[in-house]
Amino acid sequence: GDSVTQMEGPVTLSEEAFLTINCTYTATGYPSLFWYVQYPGEGLQLLLKATKADDKGSNKGFEATYRKETTSFHLEKGSVQVSDSAVYFCALRAGGTSYGKLTFGQGTILTVHP
Amino acid sequence: DAGVIQSPRHEVTEMGQEVTLRCKPISGHDYLFWYRQTMMRGLELLIYFNNNVPIDDSGMPEDRFSAKMPNASFSTLKIQPSEPRDSAVYFCASSRDRAYGNTIYFGEGSWLTVV
Repeated sequence: GDSVTQMEGPVTLSEEAFLTINCTYTATGYPSLFWYVQYPGEGLQLLLKATKADDKGSNKGFEATYRKETTSFHLEKGSVQVSDSAVYFCALRAGGTSYGKLTFGQGTILTVHP
Repeated sequence: DAGVIQSPRHEVTEMGQEVTLRCKPISGHDYLFWYRQTMMRGLELLIYFNNNVPIDDSGMPEDRFSAKMPNASFSTLKIQPSEPRDSAVYFCASSRDRAYGNTIYFGEGSWLTVV
C-alpha cells in the first residue's frame, strides 16, 4: 500500500538556519505530494504541493521538488524564523483504488530558537 | 470563502458518555474525510464519504464509532460509549473531487478529552 516516511524529529534550529526535512514515499502510479503544517493548537494547513515529477512547490519561502527517481519530496527553507516552529507533515494522494485519500507521514516537529 | 467548520472545538466528557462531533465541509466539495490524531499513532483516516455515501470505513476503530453524512453540507462522527483512549484531536476535511492533484482542506479540529 501507499506509505510516507519522514525524517525523525524533533528538529531544533537557530533563527536564520537552513532547514531540510526529508520525505520519501511508496505508492502505485504517480501520486500528488503535499506538505502540510500544523501550528500549536491549530488544524492542518496546506503549505505546498506538487502534482507531477520535477514539479517544485513553493510557499512562504519553503520549497520542495517532486523527485520520481528517488521517490522523494524533501522540504527546504533557506532561513527559518521563530514563527516557523510547528509540526510538518508530508503526504501523498494517489489515484486508482486509493480513491484520492491522503496518506500522511508521522510528522516532524520543528522548533526555531531566536 | 468559509473553510471546513467543525464543532465543538474542545470537549471534555466522562467515560461512558456519548460524544457527537460535527462537520460542515466546504460548499461544492464532494469528498469528506474524518481523521484522528494522537501522539502514538499520528494521523489516521477513520472514514471518508463521496457524495454523502461512505466509501471506506476500514479505519473506524470499533463499533463504538459511527459516522453519517445525511446531506452534502453536514456530517457527524459519534462515539458511544466513549473511553479514555478515544482522547484525541478529530479532524474533518473535504475535497472537491478525488482527482489526486486536488487539495484536501482541513478544519481546525475537535479536541476531545475523555476522563
